[in-house]
Amino acid sequence: EIVLTQSPGTLSLSPGERATLSCRASQSVSSNYLVWYQQKPGQAPRLLIYGASSRATGIPDRFSGSGSGTDFTLTISRLEPEDFAVYYCQQYGNSPRLTFGGGTKVEIK
Amino acid sequence: EVQLVESGGGLVQPGGSLRLSCAASGFTFSTYGMNWVRQAPGKGLEWVSYISRSSNSIIYADSVKGRFTISRDNAKNSLYLQMNSLRDEDTAVYYCAREPIAVSGLDYWGQGSLVTVSS
Repeated sequence: EIVLTQSPGTLSLSPGERATLSCRASQSVSSNYLVWYQQKPGQAPRLLIYGASSRATGIPDRFSGSGSGTDFTLTISRLEPEDFAVYYCQQYGNSPRLTFGGGTKVEIK
Repeated sequence: EVQLVESGGGLVQPGGSLRLSCAASGFTFSTYGMNWVRQAPGKGLEWVSYISRSSNSIIYADSVKGRFTISRDNAKNSLYLQMNSLRDEDTAVYYCAREPIAVSGLDYWGQGSLVTVSS
């Protein structure tokens, strides 16, 4: 089973700053199979990025994804007030079919 | 507008059963794979189960295999999760989520249904 480790656990930043979130896999993951979500308190997750770097429909271009192999990154170029949330990476595997990282909370400094 | 609405959650004793439903609208339900994902209180996301468009592919997480059954009724635009032999650790908000193309991510989620397993 591939384990996804997200770091840092919490990122304290101010609006306008750049956020860099890491997702490291215990084994190599196909870039096609790496996904990112955003979740705000009391809400369902929202799809941000699929295929490691493709933005989902309606996602602003301040969100970008990159990486390959075992290291993937979600970057938010300039944080807006609505971007403070928890972010999860997810990968597709054989068993289990989907696994999620533990999440990174982006909080207001 | 795409909508997924879960129902059927509640309080159940350990060893009990519960059936969750997910009513879909605003899209052609029969052309999408569907998943159940859960989130224990204050914790991260855990995938539970997947069913393909025509129900010919069904997959479970090891943690629920043999206890949970996923199914769908394309004529009723509905997804189900039958949960038996429930344990304390099954306590979570259960989300149904749509998967437009295999391995492309889950693009629409319901609001979630809380299942609490406690005596």
